[in-house]
Amino acid sequence: EAGVTQFPSHSVIEKGQTVTLRCDPISGHDNLYWYRRVMGKEIKFLLHFVKESKQDESGMPNNRFLAERTGGTYSTLKVQPAELEDSGVYFCASSQDKFGQGASNEQFFGPGTRLTVL
Amino acid sequence: AQSVTQLGSHVSVSEGALVLLRCNYSSSVPPYLFWYVQYPNQGLQLLLKYTSAATLVKGINGFEAEFKKSETSFHLTKPSAHMSDAAEYFCAVSDSDFGNEKLTFGTGTRLTIIP
Repeated sequence: EAGVTQFPSHSVIEKGQTVTLRCDPISGHDNLYWYRRVMGKEIKFLLHFVKESKQDESGMPNNRFLAERTGGTYSTLKVQPAELEDSGVYFCASSQDKFGQGASNEQFFGPGTRLTVL
Repeated sequence: AQSVTQLGSHVSVSEGALVLLRCNYSSSVPPYLFWYVQYPNQGLQLLLKYTSAATLVKGINGFEAEFKKSETSFHLTKPSAHMSDAAEYFCAVSDSDFGNEKLTFGTGTRLTIIP
């Protein structure tokens, strides 16, 4: 079974440009999460999809960030326009809600996309 | 609001020695607690999780953690370190409320194993 995949693995862009990150969750996982780790700091929650619906987007930093999950499969996270402080590693994770276990479900993480904004 | 504190951003132990990585949590409701490990160029992998079934939780690769409510701690241990344990370790917490699954992470502890 394939794990969570993310593309690209690295992206270097200039301030003001647009970048789109992609995440493919494990097949059959309805829950999809985006997290971000700014260098040296903790991994922070950005948002949570259940299928194609945004369940919780309380962690999105500002309206320069737009996440979509069309059809409830893969997700994209667009940053437009990118700022220096957006640099970091963006992780995607997915989980399957087994028998309504909710918060105890294991989240499977992708390898992350390292974004550098110059 | 939930939070997690990991004491020590870097820990070094000798091969064969005890590994102890510290994690303290703060949560207004009974928490679910997790330890994840990240090896170089890989995603985070779940080591173990506490979901109130048992206070001593055994995970993969010989790791275990004990939930101590009185100390609000969930420290990770391994009796004998192996070179392959070198990685970054993250403690995380989520609310036990159904549907509130987002993880709140600590800042991570990088474990170095000395030959």
